[in-house]
Amino acid sequence: VMTQSPGTLSVSPGERATLSCRASQSISSNLAWYQQKPGQAPRLLIYGASTRATGFPARFSGSGSGTEFTLTISSLQSEDFAVYYCQQYYNWPRTFGPGTKVDIK
Amino acid sequence: EVQLVESGGGLVQPGGSLRLSCAASGFTFSTYNMHWFRQAPGKGLEWVSCISGSATAMFYADSVKGRFTISRDNAKNSLYLQMNSLRTEDTAVYYCVSPVLAAAGTNYWGQGTLVTVSS
Repeated sequence: VMTQSPGTLSVSPGERATLSCRASQSISSNLAWYQQKPGQAPRLLIYGASTRATGFPARFSGSGSGTEFTLTISSLQSEDFAVYYCQQYYNWPRTFGPGTKVDIK
Repeated sequence: EVQLVESGGGLVQPGGSLRLSCAASGFTFSTYNMHWFRQAPGKGLEWVSCISGSATAMFYADSVKGRFTISRDNAKNSLYLQMNSLRTEDTAVYYCVSPVLAAAGTNYWGQGTLVTVSS
């Protein structure tokens, strides 16, 4: 089971955002983060817990291993307001967290 | 350019069947596992199923096991999802998804196809 906190994060542009994801058992570094904007398919943001996917700037970073993971957005830009999901791919079935909505404060 | 194009969604009654297709291009389809994910309206993401490149291994979410069957035709670069005994809770946008392609540094999602199960 994957859990995420907080459910909603209200942040001002330029501020730092820290999102958490927890696995109920160790998943090593087999964790991905996705960004999803309204009406769009999700986009892979981070894989291997800390590798940034193509197309995303360095203000996005992922960390953690085992059961505790963090996605950090160092300085929020307007285009970063979205829902972020974590997903484990260590075992079957693949599972997602419920998501964290990052909205404008 | 990698492209995944789903088709086959639509309106179906509870208990009915539907077959989704995904046409892949721009990468060596036969060497990669492929996935189906879904997202119910206003809800989060759910992984549905995966099939190995050689189609020798298939995996399913508990919610669809015994009702859905994943398959592929590597000669046609196509992925399929046969959905039987459909329930209202299967209503969702279904996405065909590749794994991370090393050369691209990302995975790829289709545009999605909407399946609505309703009487």
